[in-house]
Amino acid sequence: NAGVTQTPKFQVLKTGQSMTLQCAQDMNHEYMSWYRQDPGMGLRLIHYSVGAGITDQGEVPNGYNVSRSTTEDFPLRLLSAAPSQTSVYFCASSYGDSRHSPLHFGNGTRLTVT
Amino acid sequence: GNSVTQMEGPVTLSEEAFLTINCTYTATGYPSLFWYVQYPGEGLQLLLKATKADDKGSNKGFEATYRKETTSFHLEKGSVQVSDSAVYFCALWGPGGQNFVFGPGTRLSVLP
Repeated sequence: NAGVTQTPKFQVLKTGQSMTLQCAQDMNHEYMSWYRQDPGMGLRLIHYSVGAGITDQGEVPNGYNVSRSTTEDFPLRLLSAAPSQTSVYFCASSYGDSRHSPLHFGNGTRLTVT
Repeated sequence: GNSVTQMEGPVTLSEEAFLTINCTYTATGYPSLFWYVQYPGEGLQLLLKATKADDKGSNKGFEATYRKETTSFHLEKGSVQVSDSAVYFCALWGPGGQNFVFGPGTRLSVLP
């Protein structure tokens, strides 16, 4: 049982480059989300999805795009990378109501933008 | 809006010491409260939760009680082990909301 799989684990980009962080889950979870983790700031929600075809913005959506064409996949796109996007990115999923169904996290992608 | 405050640490303890990590929250209504743990190189995983006032969540020797009167959810363990070294996050899920609010995390190091 793979759970939530994120790729790549590490990435270095130059300012202005674009890339996609991949996230896949094999638990048939309806809810998926992307967080960024920065020192002293906890986790901040970037975008989330409550099901295929439905996405919405979180706390810090600027500079990122998402889509949800299937239940399993929820890629995060950086349109034009900036040094402020240097962070650790986590994808998470749950059955739906996360008060009762815990969030399952991937192991993260460490992104550096120079 | 909803928010979570927790001691940032780092916290360094000797094995078998008593642990307390403080967490307080601000929220409208009655949120659900959680502790997540992040071991080195891994994502977060749920440690325990409480969904209403006076509930006590417990797991792996850790406990936390939902205190509405003090808006707190402090994490405790009577005797820590080296394997408990990790970052601990307090979080809430607010009523009417669709997402978690996480605290900044507390790094715990347990020395043998």
